[in-house]
Amino acid sequence: GENVEQHPSTLSVQEGDSAVIKCTYSDSASNYFPWYKQELGKRPQLIIDIRSNVGEKKDQRIAVTLNKTAKHFSLHITETQPEDSAVYFCAEGSDKLSFGAGTTVTVRA
Amino acid sequence: AAGVIQSPRHLIKEKRETATLKCYPIPRHDTVYWYQQGPGQDPQFLISFYEKMQSDKGSIPDRFSAQQFSDYHSELNMSSLELGDSALYFCASSISVQGYSEKLFFGSGTQLSVL
Repeated sequence: GENVEQHPSTLSVQEGDSAVIKCTYSDSASNYFPWYKQELGKRPQLIIDIRSNVGEKKDQRIAVTLNKTAKHFSLHITETQPEDSAVYFCAEGSDKLSFGAGTTVTVRA
Repeated sequence: AAGVIQSPRHLIKEKRETATLKCYPIPRHDTVYWYQQGPGQDPQFLISFYEKMQSDKGSIPDRFSAQQFSDYHSELNMSSLELGDSALYFCASSISVQGYSEKLFFGSGTQLSVL
C-alpha cells in the first residue's frame, strides 16, 4: 500500500533460524500496527498486533517491535518451522487498514 | 467461534455481466470492510460500513456498489465486469471499542474470475 513499505519481498531461512520483516509508515498519527499471515489461497490471519503506546510485544515465537520516532515496526519469528512458510503482511491504521506489499517467507527444512 | 462468512466461494462471470458478493460478519461486529486482492498483491481497501452507514471509501470503481443491511450483512455489487476485476475479494469485520475498530477478522474470500 501507499502508506506502508515492507521489506524484504521474499525471505528464505533455514529451519530453526530467525526471520525478520520490517515495515515503515509515513503517517505519524498511525497508532495501530497488526501483522497478518496468509497461506496460499487462504484468508489473512491476524498473528500479532501492537499499539503505539507499546514498544514491544511477544507471543511465543513471534514478537513485534515498534519505533515511533523512526516510524518503523518489525516482525520477528524465532526458531522458524516449515509451517511458518507463508506470506506475511504488515498493516497500519485504525478503522481501515493499509497493508504492506507482503513478504513471502520460505522455511527450508 | 463464529467467523466471517462469505458467499459464494467461487464465482465465474463473463465480461459485462454483474456479480453480487455477500458477507456475514461475526455476530455483534458493527463494522464491515471489503478488500480486493489481485494475484501476488496485497489486499486493497474498497469500502467499509459502520452501523449500516458507509464509513470510508477506498479505490472502489464506480461500477461497484455496496451496502450493509439491517441484519449487518453486506453485499458488494459489481456491474459491467472487466477482466481486471478477477481477484479474491475479502470481507472483514470488526467491533468498535471506545470509538476504534482495529482488529479485523477476514472471511475466506470470494474468488471472482471474469472470462
